[in-house]
Amino acid sequence: QKEVEQNSGPLSVPEGAIASLNCTYSDRGSQSFFWYRQYSGKSPELIMSIYSNGDKEDGRFTAQLNKASQYVSLLIRDSQPSDSATYLCAVVGAGGYNKLIFGAGTRLAVHP
Amino acid sequence: GAVVSQHPSRVICKSGTSVKIECRSLDFQATTMFWYRQFPKKSLMLMATSNEGSKATYEQGVEKDKFLINHASLTLSTLTVTSAHPEDSSFYICSARDVQGLSNQPQHFGDGTRLSIL
Repeated sequence: QKEVEQNSGPLSVPEGAIASLNCTYSDRGSQSFFWYRQYSGKSPELIMSIYSNGDKEDGRFTAQLNKASQYVSLLIRDSQPSDSATYLCAVVGAGGYNKLIFGAGTRLAVHP
Repeated sequence: GAVVSQHPSRVICKSGTSVKIECRSLDFQATTMFWYRQFPKKSLMLMATSNEGSKATYEQGVEKDKFLINHASLTLSTLTVTSAHPEDSSFYICSARDVQGLSNQPQHFGDGTRLSIL
């Protein structure tokens, strides 16, 4: 079983719609969760961090965390073509140095 | 804030050459930096954790003699790919976390180095 799982997509949504990206993780002891956006050929860029159960909103982005279900999601409201990218879910793994465990990423395509 | 600079952005060289990649935290200090590699359409794979003033910790399957890591200061870590071969061609990315932040603070990534070995 992979430690962090994401649907690879592509997830295709029309401009202006809500894009919903999902992620599950296997380490029940994980406490820190992050969403990164990666454009093709570029390095990851931090979008959101979330540490507590519930929702966290930042502009058009909302991260949702449910530790009991070991599930974290990212909602993008009013999706724009510029949001088209691969979204990586990352979880701080067990052990020292707080290493990030990345999912394989979900490719989002927002079409006009 | 939290800017990580990585240099060079692209390297093309012949097989057998050793290549050094630098990763600098510009506006914060980083006790720990991380080195990743990424193949096309794949996710990031952690290669090693770079610790200031001590030996790096390598992930299983990563050859430490092949990928030399030096973290001599709180703002600089280097990755040297020794005697590079075509199979080492990849996108190498470093990241760092502010030493003054909480241990669960996010990592900030450099722009990456695209290495192509002919």
